Amino acid sequence: AQSVTQPDIHITVSEGASLELRCNYSYGATPYLFWYVQSPGQGLQLLLKYFSGDTLVQGIKGFEAEFKRSQSSFNLRKPSVHWSDAAEYFCAVGAWSGGSNYKLTFGKGTLLTVNP
Amino acid sequence: SAVISQKPSRDICQRGTSLTIQCQVDSQVTMMFWYRQQPGQSLTLIATANQGSEATYESGFVIDKFPISRPNLTFSTLTVSNMSPEDSSIYLCSAGTGTAVNNYGYTFGSGTRLTVV
Repeated sequence: AQSVTQPDIHITVSEGASLELRCNYSYGATPYLFWYVQSPGQGLQLLLKYFSGDTLVQGIKGFEAEFKRSQSSFNLRKPSVHWSDAAEYFCAVGAWSGGSNYKLTFGKGTLLTVNP
Repeated sequence: SAVISQKPSRDICQRGTSLTIQCQVDSQVTMMFWYRQQPGQSLTLIATANQGSEATYESGFVIDKFPISRPNLTFSTLTVSNMSPEDSSIYLCSAGTGTAVNNYGYTFGSGTRLTVV
């Protein structure tokens, strides 16, 4: 079965600084990978996704992520963080289990705090 | 991508009662799911809501506790039955269209924040 690990529970950065959120996955084949953001009291919004092809994917709000098969990683990056980026970020892997049963498995999330 | 409306957005319920949460999608979708997010935790899949047949439940979740309906391709309900304080969570509806290859990640509703007292 697939699994996702987000090693950092909480990260604090200063506004304008660069950001990298780590995500490692476990799956026997090439997975479908996603990053979601959840602002306080809100549902989840899809930031970006990876299915195949170019390993560097661009998303909304200036985020990007790089798929590294050798490291089983899909880290999320942003060159300059804005105060409005403060939220919880979830990495997820989409995969099949039991034949035709496709589902998303989420990591535990990383809470991002942005200092002024 | 689809837009999901979920209601109620929040509720406070007495233990032993039941709450039905509604999920309405603005377009037909192939796949609908229900997730639970316990306080400070990640999302756990409860079940896949299948149109015209019983839902497919994940390990640890049973139909008697979380009955699900999906009468058509745009609507689903989740009932949390015989509630206890341990059921206090955010419940999220999610939907996707087409095969996984063409699926740009699921869309999520804004969630139902449930408190059981």
